Amino acid sequence: GIQVEQSPPDLILQEGANSTLRCNFSDSVNNLQWFHQNPWGQLINLFYIPSGTKQNGRLSATTVATERYSLLYISSSQTTDSGVYFCAVEGETSYDKVIFGPGTSLSVIP
Amino acid sequence: DGGITQSPKYLFRKEGQNVTLSCEQNLNHDAMYWYRQDPGQGLRLIYYSQIVNDFQKGDIAEGYSVSREKKESFPLTVTSAQKNPTAFYLCASRRVTGELFFGEGSRLTVL
Repeated sequence: GIQVEQSPPDLILQEGANSTLRCNFSDSVNNLQWFHQNPWGQLINLFYIPSGTKQNGRLSATTVATERYSLLYISSSQTTDSGVYFCAVEGETSYDKVIFGPGTSLSVIP
Repeated sequence: DGGITQSPKYLFRKEGQNVTLSCEQNLNHDAMYWYRQDPGQGLRLIYYSQIVNDFQKGDIAEGYSVSREKKESFPLTVTSAQKNPTAFYLCASRRVTGELFFGEGSRLTVL
């Protein structure tokens, strides 16, 4: 089945810094989502982005499906951005089967 | 409000007992999912259902069972055959366009 990798695994930022998180996948995908898991375990939808670029406030995401990767940009980071960021994909040949990458754990310090 | 409700939020059980976790959605989504998360780890797919009365094994189905008798409901049973059942369990449903939405999770501790 499709494999999903995320990098870096851990990231520590000073408040106000920018960062880029990466998601690589081993096969073509039908769709891709980015999530933020807060310290209480809740998963929050950030972007549904099978291709192209989207922006929402300080966050933006780009998926280059032909090259099998997606990037999540966080600008002017805040302490509330801390948590784990996951990408999730549905492989083109695995209809409805959605699997997650291992995540990037982000800590933003004041 | 529309959403996904998981219950209970916290559950303690003795080893060897079966446990059923509830997941209900009122979003009118066809597809529903169960994931398991261990501390410091990602989400692993247990089972998913694309439609009523049908479901598929995910990557770690052994020791778990599900049913899908109603569109709104997708309960997960953690059986005594599951060797390490202590974990955080997350239920999700999926919009037809592909976006996944999650409940708040159930934390199971087996003593």
